[in-house]
Amino acid sequence: GESVGLHLPTLSVQEGDNSIINCAYSNSASDYFIWYKQESGKGPQFIIDIRSNMDKRQGQRVTVLLNKTVKHLSLQIAATQPGDSAVYFCAEKAGGSYIPTFGRGTSLIVHP
Amino acid sequence: DTAVSQTPKYLVTQMGNDKSIKCEQNLGHDTMYWYKQDSKKFLKIMFSYNNKELIINETVPNRFSPKSPDKAHLNLHINSLELGDSAVYFCASSLGLSANTGELFFGEGSRLTVL
Repeated sequence: GESVGLHLPTLSVQEGDNSIINCAYSNSASDYFIWYKQESGKGPQFIIDIRSNMDKRQGQRVTVLLNKTVKHLSLQIAATQPGDSAVYFCAEKAGGSYIPTFGRGTSLIVHP
Repeated sequence: DTAVSQTPKYLVTQMGNDKSIKCEQNLGHDTMYWYKQDSKKFLKIMFSYNNKELIINETVPNRFSPKSPDKAHLNLHINSLELGDSAVYFCASSLGLSANTGELFFGEGSRLTVL
């Protein structure tokens, strides 16, 4: 079946480095993508979203890139801080679907 | 002021018991959800309600019964608890099915441990 997945289950970086978290999706009908951050003991929180008519969107220290040709999504975090340590999820939503489908999370560990 | 609140945060119980988890949102959203997160952090949709009406019911045992008394509340009742029900259950809400955003607002989670 079609699914959303992540390439790296765990990513370790040094404080101050840039982090890139990747996500592959296979549903060509998906037209809306969201990144969530889940800190330990908490629920996922919205970080940034992007629609399929865009290939890049920037927020505060975060950038999401969408490559529809290869069905790939990435989240870039600039100047990673210890507070960025969390599990990150990508989620996709097709136009005809009511709810987003979550991919497997990637655990980001930031070393001081 | 918590937007999506669920209780209890922790629940430890014996196999075979019946338990409930409550969820309330004060965001004025039309749509609410229950997700199950397993030990590997995978988030799986269980149910979704829109304006108190069930719209999504994934392949979930009928021991799980959601109830939405009004659009601000979505409770989850579980009968005859099994070991495999141990997980963290998340309630979430969103603006509505026709909203231009699919952003979900999650509660803090309820960790259920079945012994």
